[in-house]
This record gives sequence, structure tokens and C-alpha cells, in this order.
Amino acid sequence: AQSVTQLDSHVSVSEGTPVLLRCNYSSSYSPSLFWYVQHPNKGLQLLLKYTSAATLVKGINGFEAEFKKSETSFHLTKPSAHMSDAAEYFCVKRSNDYKLSFGAGTTVTVRA
Amino acid sequence: EAGVAQSPRYKIIEKRQSVAFWCNPISGHATLYWYQQILGQGPKLLIQFQNNGVVDDSQLPKDRFSAERLKGVDSTLKIQPAKLEDSAVYLCASSFKLAGGTYNEQFFGPGTRLTVL
Repeated sequence: AQSVTQLDSHVSVSEGTPVLLRCNYSSSYSPSLFWYVQHPNKGLQLLLKYTSAATLVKGINGFEAEFKKSETSFHLTKPSAHMSDAAEYFCVKRSNDYKLSFGAGTTVTVRA
Repeated sequence: EAGVAQSPRYKIIEKRQSVAFWCNPISGHATLYWYQQILGQGPKLLIQFQNNGVVDDSQLPKDRFSAERLKGVDSTLKIQPAKLEDSAVYLCASSFKLAGGTYNEQFFGPGTRLTVL
């Protein structure tokens, strides 16, 4: 069974409109969850992380994510997309032994 | 602070040839990881080092892949002989152990894109 499921393989938004990237996880314990972004030909960059503190997590570049245990979700949002947000986004679960499980990724395109 | 360095950035080889990738982690990061990212998929862990010892290599295809971290700093990942299905981006990441025994997040290098023809 998939440990992390990203519900959309591709999201297209207009510049200035909200972005929503959906992620569901499966876990028998309260996991640590991350969102990473990967720009073309660049390494993975950490956007934000949830490690059992506040359920609403703010990250870099205006992104935030909300941990919802009842829905086993960790969706990523941004109120207003910028052209520079075009990239691949990965939802990641970290297990108790600190191993990372990546979702398949969501490609974001931003239309001018 | 300098990030994780990897080289080369791109490599094209014929099948059955051998290839090696190099990684220099962030200074002071004792834990080093190699991931394989096939096009359209998320990265998958190949091997994890703690200093110069292997912590987990359960997903490393040991008949053709090998990795070492002899002095506990730089690491090399080798494929010999390469197959077509090895075409992927190979990512190196590093992290360090916090005072309470937990780990901070992993920092990733830019990756090496391997094409096997």
C-alpha cells in the first residue's frame, strides 16, 4: 500500500490565483511530514515540515500546509501563485526510523 | 553554509559500461543517503551511511551497485555494469543527529542525471 499518495499528478493555475496540492498518508503512528520542491535541474528544497507541533505549518515562499489527523491529509496551499512556483512538489513521510517515503510528485505549471 | 555537492551533473553511457558518482555532504553531517529518482517518480533510498558505516542498503541492487564512504565524509556510488533501467537521477542527501538522538531534515544535492543508451 502506498505510504504517501499525492492525489494530483499535475496542477495548472493562473498567476495570482490560489494553489492547492493534495497529499494523503497512511501511518499507524503520528508521522513527521514534509513538503519538498524540485525546480528543473535543481536539488530538492524543503518547503515546510510537520513534526507533531502546530497543525498549521508555515513554510518558505508563502506556502503553508495543514495536518489533519482525522483525514490523514497534509495538503499544501499558497494564496497567490507566482511564475517561480512552477516546479515539482513532493509530499514526504518520515518514519520512526527516519526513513523517507516520497509521494509520486505533483507538477505545477503557472499560466501568465 | 555550502550545500550538498554532487558531480558530475550529467552522464551518458552505453549499457554494460560502468559509471561512478561523487557526493560531498554538508560539513558536519554524519549521515549520508543515496537515492534513485526515475522519471515521473519520487526518490527511492538506495543506501544510508552513518559516518563510514552502512546503516541500510536493503534496496541497493548489490549485483551491480556499490557505494562507499571510506573516511566518513565524501561518498561514491558506482554502477557496473549499467543497464537501460538504471537511467535516472541519482540524488545525494545528508543530515545530522540532534542532541536527543533524533535527526534533522535531509538536505539534498542537485543530483546526477544518468542516461544509459
